Amino acid sequence: GENVEQHPSTLSVQEGDSAVIKCTYSDSASNYFPWYKQELGKRPQLIIDIRSNVGEKKDQRIAVTLNKTAKHFSLHITETQPEDSAVYFCAAQSGGYQKVTFGTGTKLQVIP
Amino acid sequence: EAGVAQSPRYKIIEKRQSVAFWCNPISGHATLYWYQQILGQGPKLLIQFQNNGVVDDSQLPKDRFSAERLKGVDSTLKIQPAKLEDSAVYLCASSYPTEQYFGPGTRLTVT
Repeated sequence: GENVEQHPSTLSVQEGDSAVIKCTYSDSASNYFPWYKQELGKRPQLIIDIRSNVGEKKDQRIAVTLNKTAKHFSLHITETQPEDSAVYFCAAQSGGYQKVTFGTGTKLQVIP
Repeated sequence: EAGVAQSPRYKIIEKRQSVAFWCNPISGHATLYWYQQILGQGPKLLIQFQNNGVVDDSQLPKDRFSAERLKGVDSTLKIQPAKLEDSAVYLCASSYPTEQYFGPGTRLTVT
């Protein structure tokens, strides 16, 4: 089955700096890669996603890059703000029924 | 558009008791997922339905957990008997076709 590794497990940055979270996957059939933000006590919320036919996608301060050859994808947050503090999860989905595997999460702390 | 509904939101039971969770997905979403999220960890997929058929239940502890999705809409997840290590948030999500929408979750505490 699919295996998704996520690094780092914790990340502290100063407000205004950039944050990068990396994930690797094992199943070459994976074709959809969402990123979720989960604040304490709340449900995961989709913040950005990328499909296997695209190398990069950007939405304001958030961007995701995908390297299919190396089987890794990354989340980039620029100009971080305190409200970006949360746990971020990557995931990989594959197949016609979109079987999904989550990464282990990254706790991001933005220091004002 | 209404979101994914789950009930109850909180449940406290003693070990060896039974418990059931209910999920109502977004209308028209064919795929429904149940996840277990232990504090400090990522969501772990327990079972995935496509309409009323099971796509993946490889991580479902079948000796104590069961799930069904009648008529391809609502779903229930049952634990019988519960163990202390079942304490977690149980998340339901639905999707069509790929983007998942999560419900608020049910926080289960087993004492």
